Amino acid sequence: AQKITQTQPGMFVQEKEAVTLDCTYDTSDPSYGLFWYKQPSSGEMIFLIYQGSYDQQNATEGRYSLNFQKARKSANLVISASQLGDSAMYFCAMRERTGGSYIPTFGRGTSLIVHP
Amino acid sequence: DTEVTQTPKHLVMGMTNKKSLKCEQHMGHRAMYWYKQKAKKPPELMFVYSYEKLSINESVPSRFSPECPNSSLLNLHLHALQPEDSALYLCASSQDLTQPNSPLHFGNGTRLTVT
Repeated sequence: AQKITQTQPGMFVQEKEAVTLDCTYDTSDPSYGLFWYKQPSSGEMIFLIYQGSYDQQNATEGRYSLNFQKARKSANLVISASQLGDSAMYFCAMRERTGGSYIPTFGRGTSLIVHP
Repeated sequence: DTEVTQTPKHLVMGMTNKKSLKCEQHMGHRAMYWYKQKAKKPPELMFVYSYEKLSINESVPSRFSPECPNSSLLNLHLHALQPEDSALYLCASSQDLTQPNSPLHFGNGTRLTVT
């Protein structure tokens, strides 16, 4: 079973508009971490934002915010005021305990294209 | 500037060659990872080192051989690879494996082509 599900293979957004990238996860561990990474076409993987399972507030980092709905097991990424440079693959990931260690698992990713 | 440095950026090798990928980090991280990534796919975990000991091997073929000479360095030795091994190889590090809140810091990757 997929631990991380990203149902949107591709998304398009107009420059300066907001966009939401979906992520749902599956775990029975009460302690886990959720992450979003950006991968431009050049290949480097960039850490964007983190949400802990015990965090009461949604995480924010500049134009990025994470809409964390624990009961629904969703951790959607919201990018406000999209820029052309936001065009990239976006991966949702989770760290949960596996055999005593917290190992990251990635979703399949969403390709975001920002139109001028 | 990335804090995890990978060399080389590009590598073309024949199926009979032996080559090595190198990764270095100076963030004091105690966990280091090798991932393989095909185009438009998520990274696939290959190996994890924790405190310089191999912690996870995701059933990777023996033609890939990892090595962690010290806490800052991680190598991936390649021998007798197949064309299907062509991919982007990403190194990453994190503080350790004991906490759920530790993000991965990635290098820029090595684009490997096996001919």
